[in-house]
Amino acid sequence: DAGITQSPRYKITETGRQVTLMCHQTWSHSYMFWYRQDLGHGLRLIYYSAAADITDKGEVPDGYVVSRSKTENFPLTLESATRSQTSVYFCASLRGDYTIYFGEGSWLTVV
Amino acid sequence: ILNVEQSPQSLHVQEGDSTNFTCSFPSSNFYALHWYRWETAKSPEALFVMTLNGDEKKKGRISATLNTKEGYSYLYIKGSQPEDSATYLCAWHDRGSTLGRLYFGRGTQLTVWP
Repeated sequence: DAGITQSPRYKITETGRQVTLMCHQTWSHSYMFWYRQDLGHGLRLIYYSAAADITDKGEVPDGYVVSRSKTENFPLTLESATRSQTSVYFCASLRGDYTIYFGEGSWLTVV
Repeated sequence: ILNVEQSPQSLHVQEGDSTNFTCSFPSSNFYALHWYRWETAKSPEALFVMTLNGDEKKKGRISATLNTKEGYSYLYIKGSQPEDSATYLCAWHDRGSTLGRLYFGRGTQLTVWP
């Protein structure tokens, strides 16, 4: 029961570089989400997707791009990483009873 | 952005103590209220999803109640144990939002001392 897997789990990158965080789920849930978690803030929604090829912005989408060509994958790309994007990123999916399942997180540091 | 508030921000209790936290949320357009348990270096784990006013849910020593008319939910832990130490998050889902789009509180960080 793998659930949701994120990769990489830990990443250090330089300002201006493009970074892609991968997310894969094994349940075929329609809805998937990307959140970021920062000290002093709750989980904040970056982007979400209702199905393959359907994505929409959340609260803090600037500087991020997503795609969803297949139901099971939902990668998040930082087009030109900035230090303010240093954070922990969680991918999640929604089960039919509205329970959200989270991946284990990707710790990203931008130097 | 809709506000979901949790109190207290942090709580320290002794093993065996019972404790409770509060989550307040907008009472209009309510659809569901979620509670999650989040241990350090792990991912948030779902505890309860509640949808009806007056709902009470229980899982072992942890229980939750819901009042949608006044916009609050309580989470109770009976006889706290050190392994209960975690951050407890609530999240609100409003009827007008796309399915699954939750608004999270900042959490209550619980530390249980042996």
